[in-house]
Amino acid sequence: QSALTQPRSVSGSPGQSVTISCTGTSSDVGGYNYVSWYQQRPGKAPKLMIYNVSKRPSGVPDRFSGSKSGNTASLTISGLQAEDEADYFCCSYAGSYIYWVFGGGTKLTVL
Amino acid sequence: EVQVVESGGGLVQIGESLRLSCAASGLTVSTNHMSWVRQAPGKGLDWISVIYSGGNSHYADSVKGRFTVSRDNSLNTVYLHMNNVRHDDTAVYYCAREGYYNFESWGQGTLVTVSS
Repeated sequence: QSALTQPRSVSGSPGQSVTISCTGTSSDVGGYNYVSWYQQRPGKAPKLMIYNVSKRPSGVPDRFSGSKSGNTASLTISGLQAEDEADYFCCSYAGSYIYWVFGGGTKLTVL
Repeated sequence: EVQVVESGGGLVQIGESLRLSCAASGLTVSTNHMSWVRQAPGKGLDWISVIYSGGNSHYADSVKGRFTVSRDNSLNTVYLHMNNVRHDDTAVYYCAREGYYNFESWGQGTLVTVSS
């Protein structure tokens, strides 16, 4: 069982928006602004999409955005495209003993 | 371009040892924090270890005392030494360069299968 809780699946039609939630505790998500999100296509390595809750690395479309409220972080993908279909994982720093915790992943289906 | 390439995975028996390698290019492992993250079949990601630029290392409780991370600066390579492997160590093992509180660059992973 993963430390952070994500919905198993979400779906949306092209052009729509979807939001994926990531719920932790005050010891991880709620305690630090170090939540990151990763996209993983089948058989591929994870790719950093969002870091420090809401920052986008160079090259990531601005359709991807992140936010946090209390112990829950969220990834929103607007203007869905077929290429966005993938698994998405959240991750949070959890202090200098546990270090990093991940969510179980959410499968995004573009209908 | 930053690239990390994992190797060394394969089939190993319970209780045996294995060494995974993470060869880097476009970055210098001795000046970066390098982590290992694994993914069991059909499961989520699971952080297991880090070696800091200063040489210190830390481990998740699930591998502490069994796995050791090291690096060879001359080869620009990080290693994960896996001892006394268990069935639940079966996973794809990824090497990742840490950015500022994130995992910036990942390799393609290497599969370790533990059998009895």
